[in-house]
Amino acid sequence: GAVVSQHPSRVICKSGTSVKIECRSLDFQATTMFWYRQFPKQSLMLMATSNEGSKATYEQGVEKDKFLINHASLTLSTLTVTSAHPEDSSFYICSARDPKGLAGYNEQFFGPGTRLTVL
Amino acid sequence: QKEVEQNSGPLSVPEGAIASLNCTYSDRVSQSFFWYRQYSGKSPELIMSIYSNGDKEDGRFTAQLNKASQYVSLLIRDSQPSDSATYLCAFRYAYSGAGSYQLTFGKGTKLSVIP
Repeated sequence: GAVVSQHPSRVICKSGTSVKIECRSLDFQATTMFWYRQFPKQSLMLMATSNEGSKATYEQGVEKDKFLINHASLTLSTLTVTSAHPEDSSFYICSARDPKGLAGYNEQFFGPGTRLTVL
Repeated sequence: QKEVEQNSGPLSVPEGAIASLNCTYSDRVSQSFFWYRQYSGKSPELIMSIYSNGDKEDGRFTAQLNKASQYVSLLIRDSQPSDSATYLCAFRYAYSGAGSYQLTFGKGTKLSVIP
């Protein structure tokens, strides 16, 4: 399958700081990337859909001014958690759509995730 | 309302047995279906995609799709302890628009393979 990287894998920060998470598709061009959040023992929650060169589409209840998404190139999307608070502590995972995937399935491949802990 | 139903488990099977995971979905226009495996503390990993009615086999994994009955299943033959994980089914709708590539995920079934 296609490879998606995410950086950093783990971050611990103080309350009020901003944290940037990078998501890269390494061997394909991803027109669309997705950002998810997952709390312990819970299912994936889609936060936003990121399309290269355009504004991200946020899911209901997700604050776009708090979770800034930039998809500046076909291989890179970034999520910035602004003024992070302890309740933002979670596992953030990006995925990228491979438009040339097998049989045109447009499979989504996930990055390894970023575990954010806000003190 | 797009919904995916999965039995949360845990589903326990002995090593070497066949594990059967099931998923039902609510929308008849769903087009593509996926199974992801997620180990504890890790991100999901795509293991199977299926598009057409019937069976699709890949190694020890077989995905089965029945669009008329709106269910998709995953069979794992010769289950190994390393298969112990949470299995997420997901589907995508066949419509255009900003959300056309979004996946709707089930909550996952936790599988334990007992040595």
